[in-house]
Amino acid sequence: DAGITQSPRHKVTETGTPVTLRCHQTENHRYMYWYRQDPGHGLRLIHYSYGVKDTDKGEVSDGYSVSRSKTEDFLLTLESATSSQTSVYFCAIGRGETYEQYFGPGTRLTVT
Amino acid sequence: AQSVTQLDSHVSVSEGTPVLLRCNYSSSYSPSLFWYVQHPNKGLQLLLKYTSAATLVKGINGFEAEFKKSETSFHLTKPSAHMSDAAEYFCVVKGGANNLFFGTGTRLTVIP
Repeated sequence: DAGITQSPRHKVTETGTPVTLRCHQTENHRYMYWYRQDPGHGLRLIHYSYGVKDTDKGEVSDGYSVSRSKTEDFLLTLESATSSQTSVYFCAIGRGETYEQYFGPGTRLTVT
Repeated sequence: AQSVTQLDSHVSVSEGTPVLLRCNYSSSYSPSLFWYVQHPNKGLQLLLKYTSAATLVKGINGFEAEFKKSETSFHLTKPSAHMSDAAEYFCVVKGGANNLFFGTGTRLTVIP
């Protein structure tokens, strides 16, 4: 258990509304990541963070923003949700010498 | 650039028979490779990792994988499948900034 929680675990929202997903870790790791999982695509990186206020874009960052004001929290925001952002979102932390990643339980987001 | 290709989207085996899940990788330098498993409606769990030490890597639950540079492969095997092995398996390569690139997954079905 890597001490990662995600909230909410499930959310249904309407197109055009803002949504924020939270990832919380208890182990003080420097690297944190946000992925989305869609059928036929595996997991794709949205954004990652390598420290407080240090973030960078991943493979599928359009339409998403992130913030990290504290080591333990990494927030993912959809400024104006679209149906194409319906997905399962996973947060991960990088741990150990090789920074292997450990994943949270996921958030299922449905945009109607 | 780093990428992985999982050669089978679905593998079906009988309980007690060997499991082989195939993965080829592409990397511009010596790669770090991983296998993750995802049980239905669950998060991802690290099965094993290769980080340029021994080419035969042992993981949890009796799984192992062999790194073959000449074939650019990192296939996952298990001598005897168990019903609890039914899940989706992801081959993963680590890229720059400690990011991960996922394959599209192989769904393993175990027939009683």
